[in-house]
Amino acid sequence: TQLLEQSPQFLSIQEGENLTVYCNSSSVFSSLQWYRQEPGEGPVLLVTVVTGGEVKKLKRLTFQFGDARKDSSLHITAAQPGDTGLYLCAGAGSGGYNKLIFGAGTRLAVHP
Amino acid sequence: EAGVAQSPRYKIIEKRQSVAFWCNPISGHATLYWYQQILGQGPKLLIQFQNNGVVDDSQLPKDRFSAERLKGVDSTLKIQPAKLEDSAVYLCASSLGVGLDNQPQHFGDGTRLSIL
Repeated sequence: TQLLEQSPQFLSIQEGENLTVYCNSSSVFSSLQWYRQEPGEGPVLLVTVVTGGEVKKLKRLTFQFGDARKDSSLHITAAQPGDTGLYLCAGAGSGGYNKLIFGAGTRLAVHP
Repeated sequence: EAGVAQSPRYKIIEKRQSVAFWCNPISGHATLYWYQQILGQGPKLLIQFQNNGVVDDSQLPKDRFSAERLKGVDSTLKIQPAKLEDSAVYLCASSLGVGLDNQPQHFGDGTRLSIL
């Protein structure tokens, strides 16, 4: 069974701080997707990383895929209150089914 | 482009009653997914359709849950009879192609189900 573990589960920080959240597995995935989910809404895709060692930047967010394609990290620089939400990583298998396995998420609260 | 539409947004029922959820995916999206998200957990795939055929229902509790996607567009998910453990948000998602990996999934805002 493929599992994704995310850490930390909860993170409460002040505006302007930096943070990193992690997504780890013992399984290899064809890609890792990161989603953000706000209360009462569905997850929204932030980024997909496909190649081992790949780094992608989205404004103040930096995503990295591990060399072995088993883990990923999300780093946020100078966090803003608008970054508050649940960050979910999802591992994608291969075979043409586009199936995702989600981690339990990191709940981030950024206080002004 | 209109997003994935789900209804109702909220539903409260008593255990052993039945309930149905409806999903209208993004126009032209061939693949449709139903997920269950229990409080404090990530979404768990219940069933996946490609057009109107089921490609994965391995985690669907088939003794009480059923789903259909008539004509390869809209979909309904039904629970009968409901149990307390079914309290969760039910999310519908869609993606464009068939037979392709690494595609983004577009989610609706979900139906929050509470079982009393």
